[in-house]
Amino acid sequence: GAVVSQHPSWVICKSGTSVKIECRSLDFQATTMFWYRQFPKQSLMLMATSNEGSKATYEQGVEKDKFLINHASLTLSTLTVTSAHPEDSSFYICSASGVGDTQYFGPGTRLTVL
Amino acid sequence: AQTVTQSQPEMSVQEAETVTLSCTYDTSENNYYLFWYKQPPSRQMILVIRQEAYKQQNATENRFSVNFQKAAKSFSLKISDSQLGDTAMYFCAFPRANDYKLSFGAGTTVTVRA
Repeated sequence: GAVVSQHPSWVICKSGTSVKIECRSLDFQATTMFWYRQFPKQSLMLMATSNEGSKATYEQGVEKDKFLINHASLTLSTLTVTSAHPEDSSFYICSASGVGDTQYFGPGTRLTVL
Repeated sequence: AQTVTQSQPEMSVQEAETVTLSCTYDTSENNYYLFWYKQPPSRQMILVIRQEAYKQQNATENRFSVNFQKAAKSFSLKISDSQLGDTAMYFCAFPRANDYKLSFGAGTTVTVRA
């Protein structure tokens, strides 16, 4: 149980284009999902919290107009990186909140912007 | 501000031996959860073990166990009978008091040697 999928697992795009990443909780309903960014050999940095049916809340310093989050249902949240630039290249991970504040993580998406 | 500190950037252990990872945290809360997550080279974050602060008994999951010292705000992870598949980066995580989002430590890279 508590499986979270993420798609795509990797994506390469040209500078200036937008990229959408999907996060799904497969066997449980998640009213709250989280989006993280991780640089190599570093810890996870929380970007935003996605709440079903309401606006996402962003961490300080994260541009909400660049990283658009939509939590359309209890099992799906999407992150769209708009007008991507090479500095947006990173590993993006989503998680879904389950019982007792436990977060279950997707496998991550490696984004490379050329 | 709440912090999670992992003071060991890297550790190496011989297969079948035991290794202990340290984690300290700071909080003024009384009831909370603590987590250890594992991130192998695949970069999939996997929940290793969870401890509820109001429980005096240390949590155990097969070869993984914790030494939870609430007064000292210490939450160490012991890996017994280490296996090659335990090679990974290990993160200690703790929910922030104001919004219960997870704060992660910097991580400890564990390498199990054959």
